[in-house]
Amino acid sequence: AQSVTQPDIHITVSEGASLELRCNYSYGATPYLFWYVQSPGQGLQLLLKYFSGDTLVQGIKGFEAEFKRSQSSFNLRKPSVHWSDAAEYFCAVGGTGRRALTFGSGTRLQVQP
Amino acid sequence: DVKVTQSSRYLVKRTGEKVFLECVQDMDHENMFWYRQDPGLGLRLIYFSYDVKMKEKGDIPEGYSVSREKKERFSLILESASTNQTSMYLCASNRAGGGHSNQPQHFGDGTRLSIL
Repeated sequence: AQSVTQPDIHITVSEGASLELRCNYSYGATPYLFWYVQSPGQGLQLLLKYFSGDTLVQGIKGFEAEFKRSQSSFNLRKPSVHWSDAAEYFCAVGGTGRRALTFGSGTRLQVQP
Repeated sequence: DVKVTQSSRYLVKRTGEKVFLECVQDMDHENMFWYRQDPGLGLRLIYFSYDVKMKEKGDIPEGYSVSREKKERFSLILESASTNQTSMYLCASNRAGGGHSNQPQHFGDGTRLSIL
């Protein structure tokens, strides 16, 4: 069975500061990994995805994530956070032979001025 | 751009009622999904469908059923609504991906359902 852990329920950063959101997954083979963002009152929007190849992937809105197989992690980063980044962020894992994704419980990001 | 449309943003129903949540996508996607979202629990998969009239149970199917009579439409049915089904419901769709979960899912804006 596959699973995703997002250890941080809530994170507060100052505008302009760097950001790292943690994601650890459990899956027996090479995973497909995703990060989504959910603004208040809206559905989820895809930020980036990893399937294979280069372990550092770039996404929209200046986000990037790094796949580390040895640590079973796929952490999301941004060098300088903007107030509009305040939202909830979800990590998800998929795999071969399985149509559905498994989502983590989410990390809520608050940005202080 | 992919559009996933959920018929209602907010819905209030009474215990015991039969409730229908509708979802339509306009990109000819093979797969469609229903999730419920609760604080601290993330998204939990209720049911998904990979073709017309085909469905598979997700992690929490009890108390729910689904219907997919047309490729673009996927309905979630609460057979007899209960207060513990008060939640945010999200619909999503994606391409088949050869039967693997390697295609990004596109989400609707959600339906906030309250059961009184």
